Amino acid sequence: KNEVEQSPQNLTAQEGEFITINCSYSVGISALHWLQQHPGGGIVSLFMLSSGKKKHGRLIATINIQEKHSSLHITASHPRDSAVYICAVNRRTSQGNLIFGKGTKLSVKP
Amino acid sequence: SQTIHQWPATLVQPVGSPLSLECTVEGTSNPNLYWYRQAAGRGLQLLFYSVGIGQISSEVPQNLSASRPQDRQFILSSKKLLLSDSGFYLCAWSTRGPGWETQYFGPGTRLLVL
Repeated sequence: KNEVEQSPQNLTAQEGEFITINCSYSVGISALHWLQQHPGGGIVSLFMLSSGKKKHGRLIATINIQEKHSSLHITASHPRDSAVYICAVNRRTSQGNLIFGKGTKLSVKP
Repeated sequence: SQTIHQWPATLVQPVGSPLSLECTVEGTSNPNLYWYRQAAGRGLQLLFYSVGIGQISSEVPQNLSASRPQDRQFILSSKKLLLSDSGFYLCAWSTRGPGWETQYFGPGTRLLVL
């Protein structure tokens, strides 16, 4: 079993829909990251959080440390949100090395 | 199968010293290659990417440089390290082509500049 699990693996939405991507992890962490990868591009860091909730524009990330779970929400989705969204965690031990989820491929149709 | 190697795993260097981090990929040809940094308390940041030998694109102007002397070798360098260069450095590769390109990350190098 992977230490970082994301769901769903693939997601197709209509423009304007509210989107949720989930991430669960099984190791002790010091921080959790949400990353975005556009087709043919590099990875962009969206959020880093260790507790609570963060908001940036139409993106909201939450984390529940007790439940070892995080969600990424996109409100009023737009075709330009189409990308792969990756959850990654810093281990609390092992020098804080990053462990990545496999990503969620999001396609937003106009 | 493809594998990606980075070394060293951990490095402690004094301020003002040079740096050379190496990344190599096995099992694939003509990959795109990437260097990322995760500074303490911050998210991942793309530093450089390369689509071929000798072709380097810099995303963020800074104290670092990158080179790609061979198809599957990517080197991150600095002539004089700064304290702010401390962080976790990740190399990644992806296949070329249109559409979705999953990036595969190396194990990382943790750099501490003192």
